[in-house]
Amino acid sequence: NAGVTQTPKFQVLKTGQSMTLQCAQDMNHEYMSWYRQDPGMGLRLIHYSVGAGITDQGEVPNGYNVSRSTTEDFPLRLLSAAPSQTSVYFCASLQVGYGYTFGSGTRLTVV
Amino acid sequence: AQSVTQLDSQVPVFEEAPVELRCNYSSSVSVYLFWYVQYPNQGLQLLLKYLSGSTLVKGINGFEAEFNKSQTSFHLRKPSVHISDTAEYFCAVGSYIPTFGRGTSLIVHP
Repeated sequence: NAGVTQTPKFQVLKTGQSMTLQCAQDMNHEYMSWYRQDPGMGLRLIHYSVGAGITDQGEVPNGYNVSRSTTEDFPLRLLSAAPSQTSVYFCASLQVGYGYTFGSGTRLTVV
Repeated sequence: AQSVTQLDSQVPVFEEAPVELRCNYSSSVSVYLFWYVQYPNQGLQLLLKYLSGSTLVKGINGFEAEFNKSQTSFHLRKPSVHISDTAEYFCAVGSYIPTFGRGTSLIVHP
């Protein structure tokens, strides 16, 4: 089992550019989430999904968009990148009662 | 609503010494509690979890945690740490969309 796969691992964007961070899981989990990790801030929830076709906002959703057309995939779109979006992004899928399985992360720098 | 407070941002300790990483939580619904570990430049992996039953939970790598309902705490302990335990540790509360604490950096010195 691959678990949760995130691509790319590293990305540098210019301010104003858009991009999509990919996330795929092969565990048939219904719940998936996107977090950003910043020094001293822990993990902050951006968006989450409780199943295909159902998404909702987390704590810090501004500037990000998501969709969930299949159980496996949960891409995160940056609409117009800003330096404040420089961060490490983690995708995770959840089996209720068993905890999250995390991807290895995407380190994004916006210049 | 749910929240987590990790009381120490950094815990330095010498190798083979015991360690406790503190976590307090609040939750208005059933309590699911988790500890995750993040090694440098890696994702998070689950150390242990409490869902119900015995309040002492054992996890991987010799870690354990005790759920204390009256003190709303879920502290993580290890009786003897190794250099390889140096990592960031996160406490989380919640069943469906967990809320994470800000993390505690465990630094093990030789």
